[in-house]
Amino acid sequence: NAGVTQTPKFQVLKTGQSMTLQCAQDMNHNSMYWYRQDPGMGLRLIYYSASEGTTDKGEVPNGYNVSRLNKREFSLRLESAAPSQTSVYFCASSPTGSEAFFGQGTRLTVV
Amino acid sequence: QKEVEQDPGPLSVPEGAIVSLNCTYSNSAFQYFMWYRQYSRKGPELLMYTYSSGNKEDGRFTAQVDKSSKYISLFIRDSQPSDSATYLCAMSEFDYGQNFVFGPGTRLSVLP
Repeated sequence: NAGVTQTPKFQVLKTGQSMTLQCAQDMNHNSMYWYRQDPGMGLRLIYYSASEGTTDKGEVPNGYNVSRLNKREFSLRLESAAPSQTSVYFCASSPTGSEAFFGQGTRLTVV
Repeated sequence: QKEVEQDPGPLSVPEGAIVSLNCTYSNSAFQYFMWYRQYSRKGPELLMYTYSSGNKEDGRFTAQVDKSSKYISLFIRDSQPSDSATYLCAMSEFDYGQNFVFGPGTRLSVLP
């Protein structure tokens, strides 16, 4: 049972480049989330999807777009990467709101 | 003032010690409280989940919530080197994820 799988694990981008972070879960959860984690800041919600076809902005959505492709997959896109988007990105899913299962994270550096 | 505050540590204790990890918060509407453990370069994993005030015990771990003081704690008894990780508190007004607020985490090292 893989749980929540994120790709890639590491990425270096140049300022202005675009990329998509992929996330897939095999637990049949309805809710999926994208967080970023920065030192001293905790996890901050970027976007949330309560079900297939629905997405909502979180605390820090600027500079990001998401797609809930189907129940399993939730992708995060950076259209024009900026150094301020250097962070560790986590995807999570949950059957209810309280018990979130996280992926291993994507370490993104924007130079 | 941040909505959720947590001692950043790092906290170092000898093996077998009792560890107390704490969070304070400002939003009195929070009623769901969680503790996550995060090993280095891994995703967080849920340790404890409590609703409203009171205590919850699971093995060596005890979670306490004092809503009157806006204070939550995680106690680890007989700490082990394998407990070395960053511990994140999280809380929410409602039982769905977009309202979670996470603390910055406390890094714990348990020395053999």
